[in-house]
Amino acid sequence: AQSVTQPDIHITVSEGASLELRCNYSYGATPYLFWYVQSPGQGLQLLLKYFSGDTLVQGIKGFEAEFKRSQSSFNLRKPSVHWSDAAEYFCAVALNDMRFGAGTRLTVKP
Amino acid sequence: NAGVMQNPRHLVRRRGQEARLRCSPMKGHSHVYWYRQLPEEGLKFMVYLQKENIIDESGMPKERFSAEFPKEGPSILRIQQVVRGDSAAYFCASSLGTGDTYEQYFGPGTRLTVT
Repeated sequence: AQSVTQPDIHITVSEGASLELRCNYSYGATPYLFWYVQSPGQGLQLLLKYFSGDTLVQGIKGFEAEFKRSQSSFNLRKPSVHWSDAAEYFCAVALNDMRFGAGTRLTVKP
Repeated sequence: NAGVMQNPRHLVRRRGQEARLRCSPMKGHSHVYWYRQLPEEGLKFMVYLQKENIIDESGMPKERFSAEFPKEGPSILRIQQVVRGDSAAYFCASSLGTGDTYEQYFGPGTRLTVT
C-alpha cells in the first residue's frame, strides 16, 4: 500500500544546532516529493520539492532535502536552526494523488 | 497574482446546522483539493476536483459532506448537519495540473468550530 511515514512526531533542538527531519515513503514508483511547513494557525508553505535530477534540492529559509532512492527517503535538513523555524513540518508525496505524512513538530530551545 | 483564497477564515456553527466553505484557486489553476486537519493531527485528503468534475472523493465521509467546483465561481465544501467531530481546520489547495505542474498551493484554511 502507498504510504508516507514521518517517524518523529516531535523533535526538540537547540537554536544554532543542526536539524534533520525524516521522511520515508512506500510507493511502487518514485513519486514527486515535497516538504511543507505550517506555522501555528497558518496554512502550509512549500519549502522545497523534488521531481527529478539532482537528488539534493535546495529550498527556502536555508532548508535542503536529499532524495535517496535506495532508502525510499527524502529527509529534510538545515545546518543551523533559528527560533523562527519552530513549526510543524509535513512531508508529502504525489503519484496519482498527494499524500501527507502525519507531521513532525519542531521545538527550538533558546 | 493572488494566492489561494478561502473564506470564511473562521466559522462557528451549532450542531445540526450547515457549513459552507469556499475556496478560490490561484488564477489559472483548474485543480482543487480539500484537506481536513483535526487538532494535533496531520492533513487528511478529502476530495480532488477539476472544473465541474469530482476526480477523487475517496477521503470524503460518505454522509453529510459534499464538494463542488462549478464552471464559474469558487469551489464549495458543504457539510450538512454538522456535529462536534467536524470541528477542524479545512484547507484548500490548487494546482495547475499533474506531472511537473503538480505542486499544490495552499490557502490559509477555514477553522470550523461546532458548538
